[in-house]
Amino acid sequence: EPEVTQTPSHQVTQMGQEVILRCVPISNHLYFYWYRQILGQKVEFLVSFYNNEISEKSEIFDDQFSVERPDGSNFTLKIRSTKLEDSAMYFCASSEGSGGSGNTIYFGEGSWLTVV
Amino acid sequence: AQTVTQSQPEMSVQEAETVTLSCTYDTSESDYYLFWYKQPPSRQMILVIRQEAYKQQNATENRFSVNFQKAAKSFSLKISDSQLGDAAMYFCAYRSAANDYKLSFGAGTTVTVRA
Repeated sequence: EPEVTQTPSHQVTQMGQEVILRCVPISNHLYFYWYRQILGQKVEFLVSFYNNEISEKSEIFDDQFSVERPDGSNFTLKIRSTKLEDSAMYFCASSEGSGGSGNTIYFGEGSWLTVV
Repeated sequence: AQTVTQSQPEMSVQEAETVTLSCTYDTSESDYYLFWYKQPPSRQMILVIRQEAYKQQNATENRFSVNFQKAAKSFSLKISDSQLGDAAMYFCAYRSAANDYKLSFGAGTTVTVRA
């Protein structure tokens, strides 16, 4: 069964450093997402991406964050100048985007980011 | 913004028994989708079941079924014949059928299964 894959599974970084989290969405999907889950809290929407541009972003997704689809398969989340409070599990997700079952969002296994 | 509420932080069930997780949501929309996701200790988010709001029939996936009450804005998940592998955090989620494609999650319910 097709799945969303994410790398790295776990990254430890120094405060102030830049981090890039990578994702390969399901191949026929058109919509891509990043979500975040701080330990012990609910999953929060960060950003959605369609047709090579951001379609929606939350208030969490400020200038510190950026997304990119550098080629036909990868979808990346860049966090500039990381802060301690950026420590969280970051989930990449994708969906077909069409009606019916296409509205189902499938998640990757997550990238656990620890900022020290 | 849509609000999803899961009022049960924790639920415990005996193996082979049934447990029901509650979820309510607040929306002014008539067309939307509802989901239950499972998050085991590995922390992966796994889709359990989905329900389209325009469908009156409750969705079923093997041992998992929902009770969708649109007027009451309620979407409960029933796990039948509970297995040890069902132990996880379960999240209820809402998604608009309009241009808003993001999921709004509830706070989650931790399910423990007693052997």
